[in-house]
Amino acid sequence: AQTVTQSQPEMSVQEAETVTLSCTYDTSENNYYLFWYKQPPSRQMILVIRQEAYKQQNATENRFSVNFQKAAKSFSLKISDSQLGDTAMYFCAYDQTGANNLFFGTGTRLTVIP
Amino acid sequence: KAGVTQTPRYLIKTRGQQVTLSCSPISGHRSVSWYQQTPGQGLQFLFEYFSETQRNKGNFPGRFSGRQFSNSRSEMNVSTLELGDSALYLCASSLATLAGVLGTDTQYFGPGTRLTVL
Repeated sequence: AQTVTQSQPEMSVQEAETVTLSCTYDTSENNYYLFWYKQPPSRQMILVIRQEAYKQQNATENRFSVNFQKAAKSFSLKISDSQLGDTAMYFCAYDQTGANNLFFGTGTRLTVIP
Repeated sequence: KAGVTQTPRYLIKTRGQQVTLSCSPISGHRSVSWYQQTPGQGLQFLFEYFSETQRNKGNFPGRFSGRQFSNSRSEMNVSTLELGDSALYLCASSLATLAGVLGTDTQYFGPGTRLTVL
């Protein structure tokens, strides 16, 4: 069974600084997707970034980038120039291609300090 | 394009009752998945529907059921409610073609329905 592990329950970062959130996963599949979602206090789950396993290039979305290490089954999220609006719960998630069945980690609560 | 909508947003029920939650996907999206979020168990997959057929189901009792209509809207039903069913229920939609074409499997979430069972 697929498992997703986020070992950092809480993190904080100063505004404008950079922070990295860790995620590891376990799967025997070769084709899959990995995602980072954020859930602010409103509880709305918002897609941050996604990575297709077949792509070697790390995904980037503005201030958000990932470090995808397929062999190590590691998928970390780097947030640059942190903003107050980045304060949220961040979830790492795995989805086997075509399954539409997301496996989530337990989340990392990120607080951006002004 | 409008996002995923869920109704109602908040619901209070008592033990033993049943409840129906509704989800309207993003226009053009054919797959709808449901998740339960609780402080103790985190986010757990309930089931996924595509073209009115349940394709995938999580490890939940038979009290949890769902369906999808021809317009891709979906409902989930929980019968004989228990205190432990209190949770945020999230619905997500994706394009999800039959071929599972790479690039179409991102799920977009609705705002959720907060269910409280007393």
